[in-house]
Amino acid sequence: DTEVTQTPKHLVMGMTNKKSLKCEQHMGHRAMYWYKQKAKKPPELMFVYSYEKLSINESVPSRFSPECPNSSLLNLHLHALQPEDSALYLCASRDAGRNQPQHFGDGTRLSIL
Amino acid sequence: EDQVTQSPEALRLQEGESSSLNCSYTVSGLRGLFWYRQDPGKGPEFLFTLYSAGEEKEKERLKATLTKKESFLHITAPKPEDSATYLCAVQASQGAQKLVFGQGTRLTINP
Repeated sequence: DTEVTQTPKHLVMGMTNKKSLKCEQHMGHRAMYWYKQKAKKPPELMFVYSYEKLSINESVPSRFSPECPNSSLLNLHLHALQPEDSALYLCASRDAGRNQPQHFGDGTRLSIL
Repeated sequence: EDQVTQSPEALRLQEGESSSLNCSYTVSGLRGLFWYRQDPGKGPEFLFTLYSAGEEKEKERLKATLTKKESFLHITAPKPEDSATYLCAVQASQGAQKLVFGQGTRLTINP
């Protein structure tokens, strides 16, 4: 079991639906990340929150909308997704100290019909 | 541009057959090099951080080493449960919030 918890584990949605992915950590980490991972590829960075403020957006389409309500929680709101958005969505968190590793959750497997 | 290249892409070994995975990197000022293990359908699991050339870290059958241009993950007498994809990532001085990942090595250990 990881210390970064993601829900739901699986999600199937139509292209017109609105849904949200949730990520929670209670390690006191102040940096949180969203990644997208396709099969047999490494994780691809989407967003970084540092001290609850969005610090990096890797030119992600606006149909993905991140939110950081507090230091333990990270959401990813989804709307009008495309079939190519089907992937494993990973959340990670990192301690604020220098060179600390990122710790990943087990992801949400998203399928767009 | 920061880059990470892992080789081989895939590796099949017999149980007990030791080997090494390679991670070559070019980065503008290395802050840290990270090794992760990823099982199918799971998130990457943190294994090691290496900071400077000459550093070594060990955990069970795994040993990671670092030079100025590459890192090796040595696997000694592997077991089937060591089968996974091993990811290498670097954190550069510029853009320190990001990790640059290699493509990974898919390791299969046959009993």
